[in-house]
Amino acid sequence: AAGVIQSPRHLIKEKRETATLKCYPIPRHDTVYWYQQGPGQDPQFLISFYEKMQSDKGSIPDRFSAQQFSDYHSELNMSSLELGDSALYFCASSLGLGLGNEQFFGPGTRLTVL
Amino acid sequence: GENVEQHPSTLSVQEGDSAVIKCTYSDSASNYFPWYKQELGKRPQLIIDIRSNVGEKKDQRIAVTLNKTAKHFSLHITETQPEDSAVYFCAASGGSYIPTFGRGTSLIVHP
Repeated sequence: AAGVIQSPRHLIKEKRETATLKCYPIPRHDTVYWYQQGPGQDPQFLISFYEKMQSDKGSIPDRFSAQQFSDYHSELNMSSLELGDSALYFCASSLGLGLGNEQFFGPGTRLTVL
Repeated sequence: GENVEQHPSTLSVQEGDSAVIKCTYSDSASNYFPWYKQELGKRPQLIIDIRSNVGEKKDQRIAVTLNKTAKHFSLHITETQPEDSAVYFCAASGGSYIPTFGRGTSLIVHP
């Protein structure tokens, strides 16, 4: 079965640079969530989209923005990168925005900021 | 907002023993409680979930119990195997569709 696809899988950037992470949800899934996971930490919710509209906002810094496109893929844009942005970034998708709709996680993008 | 506490942070057991991980939550509106298993550097994977209209759910060696009155839920793994070694996260959602995760439990199963 098709899973959530994230690209790139690994990304190395310098401080103050920008980065764009991409997420392709499972076919027919219309909801996308972004999480940031630091070493030894639980996933922190950043932002989510349902039917191309922002649905919830978590601890996403103002330097970050995201959107969901007409084909339901999503991109997380990160600017003025800081050392503390180094983390695993997971995208998850679900069918619908409802309580108990299982979120399927992608393999993650490991971002390293030097 | 929701606050989820998870204990213990580390759990070391011998192969074949049982393992129990406990979580408490604060928002009485929460009514969906998933558990995720995450291996090092890999994605979180849903292993079992429970909804507030059910007190217990079992899937082979894994079971989850929920006490809504006390606002706590637990993961039970029986006959542990080395491949069960991973970080386990509990989560709760209800007031918001976004799950709030616990801090995780690192389970180590010694052969």
